[in-house]
Amino acid sequence: GAGVSQTPSNKVTEKGKYVELRCDPISGHTALYWYRQSLGQGPEFLIYFQGTGAADDSGLPNDRFFAVRPEGSVSTLKIQRTERGDSAVYLCASSSLAGRSYNEQFFGPGTRLTVL
Amino acid sequence: TQLLEQSPQFLSIQEGENLTVYCNSSSVFSSLQWYRQEPGEGPVLLVTVVTGGEVKKLKRLTFQFGDARKDSSLHITAAQPGDTGLYLCAGAKLNRDDKIIFGKGTRLHILP
Repeated sequence: GAGVSQTPSNKVTEKGKYVELRCDPISGHTALYWYRQSLGQGPEFLIYFQGTGAADDSGLPNDRFFAVRPEGSVSTLKIQRTERGDSAVYLCASSSLAGRSYNEQFFGPGTRLTVL
Repeated sequence: TQLLEQSPQFLSIQEGENLTVYCNSSSVFSSLQWYRQEPGEGPVLLVTVVTGGEVKKLKRLTFQFGDARKDSSLHITAAQPGDTGLYLCAGAKLNRDDKIIFGKGTRLHILP
């Protein structure tokens, strides 16, 4: 009965580097979401997977951001050529949409990314 | 433009006082959720309201969904230091229950 886990919990990188953030959703949850949360803000939607496919990637800020979920479970958020403005907490959430009239999302603790 | 406006942004009150925070929008939502987030953790769902005018109670917390399903309020009775945290509202737009949009949150601090 583990919840959503995210690794690493903290990531410090230099401007221009590439980073990967990992999310392990709750077993059996078909929907997986990535959000970005800046200091003093609410979570900002990035991308949502239903199974292996990205159902909505309208929140990705630019083409430096990419996410995959090749087997419909674990997901990786990839950021190329990181910029200082990418510094934020990246949250992952999973949800079981089947049979529900509303979307209850379960969040992981987040990865705090700092770009120097 | 922020789809969901939360007010106040910050609130600091004494233990034992009552308070209300608000979540407002010009859009209609099929459902609206309230989450609480503590430092270093992800948001945790408190409640979901789906029917206009609906009122739900969770111990000392009372949640209300507006009749037109455009706004919601959270009322806390006799606030306690353990209520301290960031309260976020999030709405699912009509015909898009698979995606929710968050407000910026109300940061609540209860002084002992």
